[in-house]
Amino acid sequence: QSALTQPASVSGSPGQSITISCTGTSSDVGGYNYVSWYQQLPGKAPKLMIYDVTNRPSGVSYRFSGSKSGNTASLTISGLQAEDEADYYCSSYTSSSTWVFGGGTKLTVL
Amino acid sequence: QLQLQESGPGLVKPSETLSLTCTVSGGSISSRSYYWGWIRRPPGKGLEWIGSIYYGGSTYYNPSLKSRVTISVDTSKNQFSLRLSSVTAADTAVYYCARCLPAVAVAFRAFDIWGQGTMVTVSS
Repeated sequence: QSALTQPASVSGSPGQSITISCTGTSSDVGGYNYVSWYQQLPGKAPKLMIYDVTNRPSGVSYRFSGSKSGNTASLTISGLQAEDEADYYCSSYTSSSTWVFGGGTKLTVL
Repeated sequence: QLQLQESGPGLVKPSETLSLTCTVSGGSISSRSYYWGWIRRPPGKGLEWIGSIYYGGSTYYNPSLKSRVTISVDTSKNQFSLRLSSVTAADTAVYYCARCLPAVAVAFRAFDIWGQGTMVTVSS
C-alpha cells in the first residue's frame, strides 16, 4: 500500500491559519470517512487530534479542524500558536482492510 | 486512566527476531470492541502501521510486513505482543503500541491512546 501524500513542510506566523493536505485515492481517503490526524511533538508519542474526518477528541483545541473533498483530506489550524510547532500525520482506512499513514508534515511557527 | 507501555530489547541483530510487549494499565485489554495496534517510526521517516489485534485473536497486518509479523494477545497479563522476524537495518525505528478507537462498519477508526514508544536498533 502506498503512503498518503502530505506536503513535507508548512509554516505560518502566530495568529495565522494554515492548512495541511493529505491526498490519497478512492480506495482510502476518498472512499471512507475514517481519516484521522495526529500531532507529534519532538520526542513525544503521536496524539490524536481529529478522527472521522471532522471530529475532535475531548480536550483537543477548537482551533484544530478537519475536512475532506474527494480524495483529499485537510487539517486546518487557526490562530496559530508556538506550541503547535510539530509533525502532523494523516491516516486512513483502506479498501484492503488496512490502515495507511501519510508521510508527515513539519509545521514551523515563524 | 488507560496507559500503554512498551518493553523489550533496544538492540537486535540482523536476521534475528524483534520481540516487543505492550502492557495495558488502567483498563482491560478484553474491553469489548477495542483493537490494539503497533505502529513504528523509522529515523527521519514517517509513521507506519504494522498491525492490530482484537482480544479474541482477530488480526490485521500491513501487507508489506505480513510475512514477517505476528501480533498476539495475553489477556491474563493484560498485554499484547509484536514479533518481527528476519530483521534488517530498515526495521530500526521507534515502536509504539496504541489503542484503536472502535468503529461500526470497520474494525476501528483511529488510534486514540498511545504508549511513549521504544527505540529498537538493528545492528550487529
